[in-house]
Amino acid sequence: GAGVSQSPSNKVTEKGKDVELRCDPISGHTALYWYRQSLGQGLEFLIYFQGNSAPDKSGLPSDRFSAERTGGSVSTLTIQRTQQEDSAVYLCASSLGGRDTQYFGPGTRLTVL
Amino acid sequence: EDQVTQSPEALRLQEGESSSLNCSYTVSGLRGLFWYRQDPGKGPEFLFTLYSAGEEKEKERLKATLTKKESFLHITAPKPEDSATYLCAVQARVGDYGQNFVFGPGTRLSVLP
Repeated sequence: GAGVSQSPSNKVTEKGKDVELRCDPISGHTALYWYRQSLGQGLEFLIYFQGNSAPDKSGLPSDRFSAERTGGSVSTLTIQRTQQEDSAVYLCASSLGGRDTQYFGPGTRLTVL
Repeated sequence: EDQVTQSPEALRLQEGESSSLNCSYTVSGLRGLFWYRQDPGKGPEFLFTLYSAGEEKEKERLKATLTKKESFLHITAPKPEDSATYLCAVQARVGDYGQNFVFGPGTRLSVLP
């Protein structure tokens, strides 16, 4: 079946602009995660959605970052007033349940000029 | 604080030269340890999940083992196509119902023909 998809694959924006990144999880997966991977760094957890429960936002680095998941499926990560330090690859993953293996999308490479 | 470290940072092997990658972790309560492979410009690809000390899993030339403090990814007679960054991640228990996913920085493996 189809894997996790993300769009756009690349996004270049100017400092101060808002951006939206999209994630389509594997059908039937109830858990969805967002991570950030900076050049040469490990994955940094951002936010976790599980079913209809309140999301775990403990990894969001600032209030400029927010995410929503509509209908328990597609998720959008929004970064407001982007800064150069926001440049990174943003990865989305989904899993069947909260304790199951995560399957990753290809990522969105964000470049803030 | 839950932590994951990986060593070495980078490893260069000749084709057929077996070796091991290390993942050391400190977590409050381990729910699972995951190994992923990541190729440049792509999202991590799931390899193994280990849940308890003493557990082992194998897939082709790869074998993952787990103790109470670390995990090893053994690569037997590697081929150039095994070249990638190998990521280790732990799923840690937080309180009664919460969880935390922590990724290590990865080991960058190069297998030379």
